[in-house]
Amino acid sequence: QVQLLQSGPGLVKPSQTLSVTCAISGDNVSRYSASWNWMRQSPSRGLEWLGRTYYRSKWYHDYAVSVQGRIAIDPDTSKNQFSLHLKSVTPDDTAVYFCARDKYTNSNWFDPWGQGTLVIVSS
Amino acid sequence: DIQMTQSPSSLSASVGDRVTITCQASQDIYNYLNWYQQKPGKAPKFLIYEASTLEAGVTSRFSGSGSGTEFTFTINGLQPEDIGTYYCQQYHSQPPTFGQGTKVEI
Repeated sequence: QVQLLQSGPGLVKPSQTLSVTCAISGDNVSRYSASWNWMRQSPSRGLEWLGRTYYRSKWYHDYAVSVQGRIAIDPDTSKNQFSLHLKSVTPDDTAVYFCARDKYTNSNWFDPWGQGTLVIVSS
Repeated sequence: DIQMTQSPSSLSASVGDRVTITCQASQDIYNYLNWYQQKPGKAPKFLIYEASTLEAGVTSRFSGSGSGTEFTFTINGLQPEDIGTYYCQQYHSQPPTFGQGTKVEI
């Protein structure tokens, strides 16, 4: 059974970098047919897909236009996890952040999800 | 991006009722549509894919239908454990996008 366990600070100051990590059990971050996603949820934006990383002989990344230039999703094969880094945050980035696996190769069928991490951007 | 619009935004029904939620896409997405259930304080749960195929282990009270731009999600015989917010999500085009959700209450 695949489980995703998130960790990260709940409070980030404006202009700083938000970082949340998703630890994987029961699967492998570099498995060829898997891809690993980040979403966020807020009252103003609803559920929003942010980006994904996947390994196909090398690492690939796809990012949402809304956060392009500020986002990085980094895999860590030694710890079997992947992390979201969102820089230059503003209060508008306050949200619950979720990691999720693509059920099949870049299918955009998200299952399972991590438990969610509430990140508040405030000074 | 493809816009997904759900209606109603919330509903209240009685135990045993049939509940229907609609989801409209801003362009033709064929049957590239998923449904999720989210309970308060929890992550979304994957329920239905390809508009109408039930994920393994999901109750048969749930069903989905539709294609093109109009889709429906139905709960046949609402149960107390079905309360939560339901989301549609298209995967026809990148980026994947979600509806705004329908909150189901008893």
